[in-house]
Amino acid sequence: GENVEQHPSTLSVQEGDSAVIKCTYSDSASNYFPWYKQELGKRPQLIIDIRSNVGEKKDQRIAVTLNKTAKHFSLHITETQPEDSAVYFCAASSVTGKLIFGQGTTLQVKP
Amino acid sequence: DARVTQTPRDKVTEMGQEVTMRCQPILGHNTVFWYRQTMMQGLELLAYFRNRAPLDDSGMPKDRFSAEMPDATLATLKIQPSEPRDSAVYFCASVGTGVFGEQFFGPGTRLTVL
Repeated sequence: GENVEQHPSTLSVQEGDSAVIKCTYSDSASNYFPWYKQELGKRPQLIIDIRSNVGEKKDQRIAVTLNKTAKHFSLHITETQPEDSAVYFCAASSVTGKLIFGQGTTLQVKP
Repeated sequence: DARVTQTPRDKVTEMGQEVTMRCQPILGHNTVFWYRQTMMQGLELLAYFRNRAPLDDSGMPKDRFSAEMPDATLATLKIQPSEPRDSAVYFCASVGTGVFGEQFFGPGTRLTVL
């Protein structure tokens, strides 16, 4: 069935360092890949997304890369700040718009 | 600033009781999703609707869960009878017209079944 694997499950970095979270998906028909950030006790919120006709997308300190052949996509956060600390979820969408989420990565940015 | 709303925000109930959670999607959004979030299972899709019609409820335990959209401004998720393993945060999310787009999540309903 459809599946999204996300790694690592936890990530601790020093403020100012970069953080990378990786996901793989199983459904080759997936063509939309969003990333959500969820702060403690809050709702998930979209931070960046990419569609299958694009290999890379950047928005200030965050970027996402997509390798459709390998069915991999990654989130890159540069110059991390304490407010980046949260749980990050990747997801892959099927043609119907249904999202399959990864298990989440807890990112801790130490001041 | 349009937002998805959910009620109640917190619910504590006894095992065997009926629980109804409500969601008001953003006005004009035609696709509504129900998710369950636990520490162990992450975000699980339970069911979703487009233009009020159910598209997929394969993630939902059919014997006790039911989801409906009585009108375009209201989605409901009902559990009857509730069990302790149903304890979780239940989110609904809505998407505007078009197949792909940002899913806007509600604040969630934290359900505790004793």
